[in-house]
Amino acid sequence: AQTVTQSQPEMSVQEAETVTLSCTYDTSESDYYLFWYKQPPSRQMILVIRQEAYKQQNATENRFSVNFQKAAKSFSLKISDSQLGDAAMYFCAYREGRKTSYDKVIFGPGTSLSVIP
Amino acid sequence: KAGVTQTPRYLIKTRGQQVTLSCSPISGHRSVSWYQQTPGQGLQFLFEYFSETQRNKGNFPGRFSGRQFSNSRSEMNVSTLELGDSALYLCASSLLATDTQYFGPGTRLTVL
Repeated sequence: AQTVTQSQPEMSVQEAETVTLSCTYDTSESDYYLFWYKQPPSRQMILVIRQEAYKQQNATENRFSVNFQKAAKSFSLKISDSQLGDAAMYFCAYREGRKTSYDKVIFGPGTSLSVIP
Repeated sequence: KAGVTQTPRYLIKTRGQQVTLSCSPISGHRSVSWYQQTPGQGLQFLFEYFSETQRNKGNFPGRFSGRQFSNSRSEMNVSTLELGDSALYLCASSLLATDTQYFGPGTRLTVL
């Protein structure tokens, strides 16, 4: 069964600095998607970034970028120029890519990020 | 385009009662998934519906059920509530079964 691990339950970063959140996953599939979701204290889950496993290029979205290492099954999130609004719980998530797959997303336990002014 | 909406946002029930939660997906999205979020267990998959058919169900007892209507709106029902059912219930929709999921704000259920 697929699993997603986030080894850092809590992290903190100074405003304007850079922080990297770690995620590893276990799967025997070759076609899959990886996601980072952000859940601020208001509880609305928001998609931060998405990576298709077949793409070698790392995804980027403004200040957010990933380091996708398929062989190592690692998918870390880098937040540059951290802002107070980045404070949230961050979830790493995995989903199979086969078109016949049911739409089940497996989430990691989350990393709580604090931003220090 | 309006996002995923969930109603009600908060519910307080007592043990033994039943509850129905509603989810309206983003317009055009046909896949709706439900998750239970608790501090101890994190996010756990409940079930997923695509075009009115339940395609998969997580490891939850039969007290948890759901359905999807022809307009893609979905409901989940929990019967004979237990204290352990207290949680945030999240609904997510996607355009296709393999597309990115977009989440609603959740329904906070408290069982007394």
